[in-house]
Amino acid sequence: DAKTTQPPSMDCAEGRAANLPCNHSTISGNEYVYWYRQIHSQGPQYIIHGLKNNETNEMASLIITEDRKSSTLILPHATLRDTAVYYCIVRALRGSSNTGKLIFGQGTTLQVKP
Amino acid sequence: NAGVTQTPKFQVLKTGQSMTLQCAQDMNHEYMSWYRQDPGMGLRLIHYSVGAGITDQGEVPNGYNVSRSTTEDFPLRLLSAAPSQTSVYFCASSGIGGAGEQYFGPGTRLTVT
Repeated sequence: DAKTTQPPSMDCAEGRAANLPCNHSTISGNEYVYWYRQIHSQGPQYIIHGLKNNETNEMASLIITEDRKSSTLILPHATLRDTAVYYCIVRALRGSSNTGKLIFGQGTTLQVKP
Repeated sequence: NAGVTQTPKFQVLKTGQSMTLQCAQDMNHEYMSWYRQDPGMGLRLIHYSVGAGITDQGEVPNGYNVSRSTTEDFPLRLLSAAPSQTSVYFCASSGIGGAGEQYFGPGTRLTVT
C-alpha cells in the first residue's frame, strides 16, 4: 500500500471548518483513500473513504485532487468533540494481496479550541 | 448488535506468563484483525484473518498466535509475555472481504511487568 504523509498537529477554532491534508504521491490506481479518527485512546472510528471523486457524508467531506496524489478531509463545523488524531490511510480493495489491511501512520492531532 | 467486543478491558501480567485476549463480533464479518498501539504511536497490525480457518501475519506478529475457528471469534494469544508487549490491543472487523469500513473494539490495556 502507498505511504501517506500528514502534518503532526493542527489547531482549529470551534465552529470553523477544519481542513486536514494528506499526501499520497505513490498511490496506485486500485487504491482508495480512507480516513479514520481516534478520540482519546478509544478504538479508531471510520469517517469516510473515496477513490477519485469527492465524497461527502454526515461526518465530513473528502476532496481528492485530480492526480490523486493528495487529499483533504474537511470537517465543516468543528466542535470540541472533534478533537482527535486523524489518520489518512491508502489501501487497495479486492484483487490485492493487501486487501483489508489498514496501515496506520502517525496521523494528525487536531485540537479544536473554544 | 453489540458490534466488536473485547475482553478483558485491563490486564496485568508478569514476564513469561501467557494469556488470551478475546475478540468477538456479531456482524457476520469475514475479515478480522488485531492491532497494537504503543503510547504516542499509531496502530500496528499484528495478525489478520479473511475468514474462518484462514489467518496471516501483519507487521508485528512475533510473540503472538491467532486462530479463527468461527466467523465470530478471533482470539489473540500471548505465548510468553514480555515487557515490550505492554500496549493497548485493538480488534477490528469488516465485511466484503475486508474492503469496507472497519469496526474497532474498545481495546484491551495490557501491562507486562
